[in-house]
Amino acid sequence: GEEVAQTPKHLVRGEGQKAKLYCAPIKGHSYVFWYQQVLKNEFKFLISFQNENVFDETGMPKERFSAKCLPNSPCSLEIQATKLEDSAVYFCASSRPTGRGSGNTIYFGEGSWLTVV
Amino acid sequence: QKEVEQNSGPLSVPEGAIASLNCTYSDRGSQSFFWYRQYSGKSPELIMFIYSNGDKEDGRFTAQLNKASQYVSLLIRDSQPSDSATYLCAVPDYGQNFVFGPGTRLSVLP
Repeated sequence: GEEVAQTPKHLVRGEGQKAKLYCAPIKGHSYVFWYQQVLKNEFKFLISFQNENVFDETGMPKERFSAKCLPNSPCSLEIQATKLEDSAVYFCASSRPTGRGSGNTIYFGEGSWLTVV
Repeated sequence: QKEVEQNSGPLSVPEGAIASLNCTYSDRGSQSFFWYRQYSGKSPELIMFIYSNGDKEDGRFTAQLNKASQYVSLLIRDSQPSDSATYLCAVPDYGQNFVFGPGTRLSVLP
């Protein structure tokens, strides 16, 4: 597709429940990124993929967060046993590959709003 | 870990004035710099990027880069109320990732 598609747009979960978010990158983009934005504050990088492979997971909380990008499927971000502080907008973004450190435009999806009550 | 700093604002300017948004970065080796605009409740959208020292103009927007001072700015001429948004400065990291600044909230007053 021509845009990064994220679903669902809104998700409400009780504390301790599981939340799963999906992202379809722009066709032809081999990099996928997940960011967390809490209360309109700064973006926190979570994880990136190069195709199906984890490229950088330095921002990923280890205990409850997991992510996958499988062939022919949307990428997913899953939070087990959600906590109140997980309430945030989760943005997915994608980009074409480029030289290391030189950067390339990343395109964002509309975000998935997770509310943990 | 690269760091990107911005004044969180809010920065208020009257309609028609020039809005000046500033960003500093920690890694002297950074090569490219991106400005994104984020309206409240929306996703960030790219405004422009700059690679070379000096100015780059695109319509009412001008990006200015000074690598010696590790400073990049975004000027918005003839500011409009529709420019009211949060402006994010972003610097590519070594792993294809972007490091975002905290954003500056701009308010253009009619």
